Amino acid sequence: DAKTTQPDSMESTEGETVHLPCSHATISGNEYIYWYRQVPLQGPEYVTHGLQQNTTNSMAFLAIASDRKSSTLILTHVSLRDAAVYHCILRGNTGGADRLTFGKGTQLIIQP
Amino acid sequence: NSKVIQTPRYLVKGQGQKAKMRCIPEKGHPVVFWYQQNKNNEFKFLINFQNQEVLQQIDMTEKRFSAECPSNSPCSLEIQSSEAGDSALYLCASRWDNSGNTLYFGEGSRLIVV
Repeated sequence: DAKTTQPDSMESTEGETVHLPCSHATISGNEYIYWYRQVPLQGPEYVTHGLQQNTTNSMAFLAIASDRKSSTLILTHVSLRDAAVYHCILRGNTGGADRLTFGKGTQLIIQP
Repeated sequence: NSKVIQTPRYLVKGQGQKAKMRCIPEKGHPVVFWYQQNKNNEFKFLINFQNQEVLQQIDMTEKRFSAECPSNSPCSLEIQSSEAGDSALYLCASRWDNSGNTLYFGEGSRLIVV
């Protein structure tokens, strides 16, 4: 399974825009890029996903590089509730079982 | 809020004891995954099901775990003989089908083996 690389932690301030980077240099052509976030004592929460085009929803904007070897999750006007571990994950098809490959994620710290 | 329900939230077992965790997938979701998350936030795929059938599982699961997803009953994951290294957060997730679509996670069952 292809791997992702993310910084261990990042810090920002309430109201700011945060850019969370993810490197996936060995991504395959049929692999989607998924982002989840996780707070303590809870399971991962789906944020967004994409294949080639940038995507946006109520939670975040996902910018995907043209060569697909990296992506950036952009959170605007962050609040304390956005503090979490953000996981960048590749979803591939492996014999029909289609599992997710998680990295360690980025701990996003938000200061008041 | 997650619609995947996992029980218990916490369990403490001695080494050698059985440890059983249950999962009710989101209504209508036939595909169920189990992951193990360690204290370093690293995830390990354990097993997945489509309806009652096992799709894939890792060697560890096959040798040391007992897992099933019976119809009309919660899915379960049971460690036959707990080891210290099994202490982790066990996450259940479900989705509509196996061709893609988003995977939704439960809140997990935290196992502590003493």
